[in-house]
Amino acid sequence: AQSVTQLGSHVSVSEGALVLLRCNYSSSVPPYLFWYVQYPNQGLQLLLKYTSAATLVKGINGFEAEFKKSETSFHLTKPSAHMSDAAEYFCAVSDQDSSASKIIFGSGTRLSIRP
Amino acid sequence: DVKVTQSSRYLVKRTGEKVFLECVQDMDHENMFWYRQDPGLGLRLIYFSYDVKMKEKGDIPEGYSVSREKKERFSLILESASTNQTSMYLCASSFSLGETYFGPGTRLTVL
Repeated sequence: AQSVTQLGSHVSVSEGALVLLRCNYSSSVPPYLFWYVQYPNQGLQLLLKYTSAATLVKGINGFEAEFKKSETSFHLTKPSAHMSDAAEYFCAVSDQDSSASKIIFGSGTRLSIRP
Repeated sequence: DVKVTQSSRYLVKRTGEKVFLECVQDMDHENMFWYRQDPGLGLRLIYFSYDVKMKEKGDIPEGYSVSREKKERFSLILESASTNQTSMYLCASSFSLGETYFGPGTRLTVL
């Protein structure tokens, strides 16, 4: 069965600094991987997804993630943090064994931005 | 613009009450999902459905049931609400292997 582990429940960076949110996955088949963002009092919004094409995936708002099979990782990065990036971020994997391609989420990482 | 709507943003119920959470999507998606979100636990799948009248248990189905009589609507039912079901409930929908779209969530408090 597929699963994801997010390292660090809370990450704090200064405005303008590099953002790095870590995610490791476990999957018995080539995975589909996702990063979602949740702003306060809102639902989840897709940031980016990996579906076995290019290993470096670019998403919205300047975020990108790199699929590294050897490390079973899919870390999310952004070169320069903005105050508006403060939110909770979820890494997820698609359970392709399921009839409905359900998505399995990590426990989330709350990103805070210091002025 | 794609839309997943949930019937309530905030709901307060008493222990033992029967609670209905409604979700409607306008994208003709075959798959629909109910998750609950709790701090430090991420999103956990309660039930999902891949077709009308079809349902499958997720990771934490105990204390919940679902109904999907029409393709666009997926209801989550708490037969007898308990305080440990106080949570944020998120509905989602998708085509198979397609992007999953989420509703805004219902914050349920059971007193």
